[in-house]
Amino acid sequence: GAVVSQHPSWVICKSGTSVKIECRSLDFQATTMFWYRQFPKQSLMLMATSNEGSKATYEQGVEKDKFLINHASLTLSTLTVTSAHPEDSSFYICSARDFPTSGSGYEQYFGPGTRLTVT
Amino acid sequence: LAKTTQPISMDSYEGQEVNITCSHNNIATNDYITWYQQFPSQGPRFIIQGYKTKVTNEVASLFIPADRKSSTLSLPRVSLSDTAVYYCLVGDTNQAGTALIFGKGTTLSVSS
Repeated sequence: GAVVSQHPSWVICKSGTSVKIECRSLDFQATTMFWYRQFPKQSLMLMATSNEGSKATYEQGVEKDKFLINHASLTLSTLTVTSAHPEDSSFYICSARDFPTSGSGYEQYFGPGTRLTVT
Repeated sequence: LAKTTQPISMDSYEGQEVNITCSHNNIATNDYITWYQQFPSQGPRFIIQGYKTKVTNEVASLFIPADRKSSTLSLPRVSLSDTAVYYCLVGDTNQAGTALIFGKGTTLSVSS
């Protein structure tokens, strides 16, 4: 299947600083990428939908000025957590859709995730 | 988007077949059913996707009855390494811009 990578895999930052997480589709082009957040022992929560060349669409309750998303190319989307606070500590996962194979819909592939710890 | 209901947890032993059933009573005509596996601190891994009847790949089978209001993921002869959380999702995956929404998932524990 298609591969989605994320960088970094983990990051520790101080409260008040900003952190950028990169998401890349390695062997396919993704016009749309999705960003999820997962707290311990919980399911994935959709944060935003990132569209190449246009503004991201944020889910209700997600602060767009805090979680800046840039989808500059068909293979790269970035999530910047601005002025991070300890409550932003979480597992951030990006995802992208590949084109449908015959007889099925799009397959959605997920990156390995980025563990953010804010101290 | 259709909501899904799965058992919170299941236990099994190595070598057994495991069937995880998911209810999605409000599934829409264009929705596909997709199952993912997630290990701790990793991103979800695609297992299988289907629209109706039966789909089989090298790791699992997916059974979908005619009314499509439920589906069953079948894992043949599980091993310890199949211990993970399994998510059932429904959504119109022909729409590139529509994200899949995760429910609570089923935690499968496989013992020796």
